[in-house]
Amino acid sequence: EAQVTQNPRYLITVTGKKLTVTCSQNMNHEYMSWYRQDPGLGLRQIYYSMNVEVTDKGDVPEGYKVSRKEKRNFPLILESPSPNQTSLYFCASSLITTSIDEQYFGPGTRLTVT
Amino acid sequence: GNSVTQMEGPVTLSEEAFLTINCTYTATGYPSLFWYVQYPGEGLQLLLKATKADDKGSNKGFEATYRKETTSFHLEKGSVQVSDSAVYFCALSARLLDNAGNMLTFGGGTRLMVKP
Repeated sequence: EAQVTQNPRYLITVTGKKLTVTCSQNMNHEYMSWYRQDPGLGLRQIYYSMNVEVTDKGDVPEGYKVSRKEKRNFPLILESPSPNQTSLYFCASSLITTSIDEQYFGPGTRLTVT
Repeated sequence: GNSVTQMEGPVTLSEEAFLTINCTYTATGYPSLFWYVQYPGEGLQLLLKATKADDKGSNKGFEATYRKETTSFHLEKGSVQVSDSAVYFCALSARLLDNAGNMLTFGGGTRLMVKP
């Protein structure tokens, strides 16, 4: 089954404790992306990657890191989480043809930083 | 840069009412346009798309027509159901040839609530 998986689905942590949210897709997609969703602010892109070893900042990259060492995986790293990073996070992937095609989204990770 | 503007919600309708959610965009060249839907507690999923001017995307009774002259991609449904209650996102994807930066842009989302 074609899918994007994220882990963990729920996470409660404390300020400053490094964490990683994993994202994996099994569709051989070139494009992968991380978003955060906050009430009243819609969906905002954090980082994206056009292919292996190619990553770029989205609209709200501060406080986050990513890596793309393999095509299928695109982990999101919070080196020193803060309460303002409490949010719902989505990973997505898609093919690139003449543009970025339909995005497939993961189920989401709800992060709470206290 | 590219941008997508959606009508703010929430939109509250009675069952069987007609739905329109407005979406306008600004982009260089000829982007592809999408509507995504997010049901409560779930991730986004593609509802419909259109890749060139005058194309009409349709799915599950929803339709949207790519209007280049008005730079719009309004979502419509003739008769909504309670099960259509969700958040709807308009998005554009610029062509590789038209955009050197981030090609993907989402609107802010519109919450639809349908009452029985």
